[in-house]
Amino acid sequence: NAGVMQNPRHLVRRRGQEARLRCSPMKGHSHVYWYRQLPEEGLKFMVYLQKENIIDESGMPKERFSAEFPKEGPSILRIQQVVRGDSAAYFCASSPAGRQGLNQPQHFGDGTRLSIL
Amino acid sequence: DQQVKQNSPSLSVQEGRISILNCDYTNSMFDYFLWYKKYPAEGPTFLISISSIKDKNEDGRFTVFLNKSAKHLSLHIVPSQPGDSAVYFCAASRGNFNKFYFGSGTKLNVKP
Repeated sequence: NAGVMQNPRHLVRRRGQEARLRCSPMKGHSHVYWYRQLPEEGLKFMVYLQKENIIDESGMPKERFSAEFPKEGPSILRIQQVVRGDSAAYFCASSPAGRQGLNQPQHFGDGTRLSIL
Repeated sequence: DQQVKQNSPSLSVQEGRISILNCDYTNSMFDYFLWYKKYPAEGPTFLISISSIKDKNEDGRFTVFLNKSAKHLSLHIVPSQPGDSAVYFCAASRGNFNKFYFGSGTKLNVKP
């Protein structure tokens, strides 16, 4: 499967624990985006990364949330000390590098559904 | 601040008829618009896009219309099929910025 791969598909955490969500972009894509979807709402942009660089993190809460896209391996969205309000579906998308990535659709994974007990 | 709005949460259409989904935006700097389709428990799937230099783009049964003066776009599906039943999201971006702004979605039900 050459699509965007996210794991786990479902993640249950208790309040105060850490959540780690992983995303492997489509083959040949080096731009990764994370979005969050709350129930009955649209997707909200969180962060845009290229390999080893955060390009835009304007949609990500300043506290408890962090993202990385290392030279090797998947992109990771980390949420520390989770709270009930973090319960949502988190989607990762990818696009090609350079000008090929501009005005091009982003391709989405199937998401991670995070539930906080 | 919701920059992309889909004011109809749901739409029901008979199979074979036209489905028209609407989307409004507030940011005049947006220059690239897309429609995504989403089934439950899956990620959004890209359907069709349009750049602001055009006012219409067609792909098979799907046509997107852009009215820049009204800051409005619409997706037409003709003829509608039961397999088109899903949630449809419109999205927009501007210039060299790669982040997409999404509407809240319209749930389309195509009745056989």
